[in-house]
Amino acid sequence: GAVVSQHPSWVICKSGTSVKIECRSLDFQATTMFWYRQFPKQSLMLMATSNEGSKATYEQGVEKDKFLINHASLTLSTLTVTSAHPEDSSFYICSARDGRGRTYEQFFGPGTRLTVL
Amino acid sequence: DAKTTQPPSMDCAEGRAANLPCNHSTISGNEYVYWYRQIHSQGPQYIIHGLKNNETNEMASLIITEDRKSSTLILPHATLRDTAVYYCIVRVYNQGGKLIFGQGTELSVKP
Repeated sequence: GAVVSQHPSWVICKSGTSVKIECRSLDFQATTMFWYRQFPKQSLMLMATSNEGSKATYEQGVEKDKFLINHASLTLSTLTVTSAHPEDSSFYICSARDGRGRTYEQFFGPGTRLTVL
Repeated sequence: DAKTTQPPSMDCAEGRAANLPCNHSTISGNEYVYWYRQIHSQGPQYIIHGLKNNETNEMASLIITEDRKSSTLILPHATLRDTAVYYCIVRVYNQGGKLIFGQGTELSVKP
């Protein structure tokens, strides 16, 4: 099956610094990628949708200047949490959709756990 | 907002069938029912999807009522590894691909 990877799997950073999380589709071209975050004991919350070569579309309430998303190629999307604060600590999960087929299925990455001290 | 309602938790004995219900009374004619599951601290895993006919694959069966207002995911022989949170999601096929997750059902399979 299609594989989506994320890097890093976990990261600890100091308050005020920026953190970049990578999401890669390993064996397919992802025309659309999605970013979610999940707090403990809660469900996944969609943050934004990005299409390759276009600006990301953010869900209501998500600060686009704080969560910078770049989808520069068909296999890579990045999420940068700028000026991170402890309340940004969360589990960030990306998802990718194969644009050439099997469009009913989204493939999820393993997630990145961010801890901001 | 999520358009589905699921029980928050369920238990199932190992080796027995696990039947997970989902209500989606406001589903539209062009919306599909999808099921994903999330094992602790991992990304969600696709299980199955359907429009109006019952579906079966190597992981599970999906039973959709005739009026499409509810469905049931069936894991025929649950194992301990099936312990996870199961999410029932409705979405329009191919419309932006957004999956909006509700609270899901936490299934505990017990020996």
